[in-house]
Amino acid sequence: DTAVSQTPKYLVTQMGNDKSIKCEQNLGHDTMYWYKQDSKKFLKIMFSYNNKELIINETVPNRFSPKSPDKAHLNLHINSLELGDSAVYFCASTLLGGITTNEKLFFGSGTQLSVL
Amino acid sequence: DAKTTQPPSMDCAEGRAANLPCNHSTISGNEYVYWYRQIHSQGPQYIIHGLKNNETNEMASLIITEDRKSSTLILPHATLRDTAVYYCIVRGVTGGGNKLTFGTGTQLKVEL
Repeated sequence: DTAVSQTPKYLVTQMGNDKSIKCEQNLGHDTMYWYKQDSKKFLKIMFSYNNKELIINETVPNRFSPKSPDKAHLNLHINSLELGDSAVYFCASTLLGGITTNEKLFFGSGTQLSVL
Repeated sequence: DAKTTQPPSMDCAEGRAANLPCNHSTISGNEYVYWYRQIHSQGPQYIIHGLKNNETNEMASLIITEDRKSSTLILPHATLRDTAVYYCIVRGVTGGGNKLTFGTGTQLKVEL
């Protein structure tokens, strides 16, 4: 059983399109995250949700809209895709979420987004 | 959060210990040292973390110097499956979520 699963694994699309990436965790964690890894392999946090409430928004363009229907799911919708959005997007979760730093991040296997 | 410096790459023979260094000279008293690794085409994986004492778990050991300005991750018997990028991260106790900032890491290559 995969702890943090995201779909699709690969996403190829044209500029201007709207696309979604889905993430689910079966660990019973309260907090979920989206990270972006660019072509230089820098991994940066985008969003964090704690029990369906947004707690981190790292100055991401408002074309990116996370949605958390319940604490086990955090989806990422991207409008009007641009070439610069091409990257690997990772979903992650932690048990409590920032109340202490004594927590492990559990990552999904990533979604490779290619915008043509 | 304090910045870390790691060598860009290291090689290690299979079966030998891999010692990965990390400098964090500006670390402050309440900042923890975390290590993650990322195997090719996978998400990062937690390895170990510590504050000031040395730590050991089933994956690795973490040695933190007394002044806390540097640390070393030790994989005691490296295998080919340990080939990955290893990230050293320092993170303080603040609210607002688990905002780990990953640097460029060390590419460890384990060879026969």
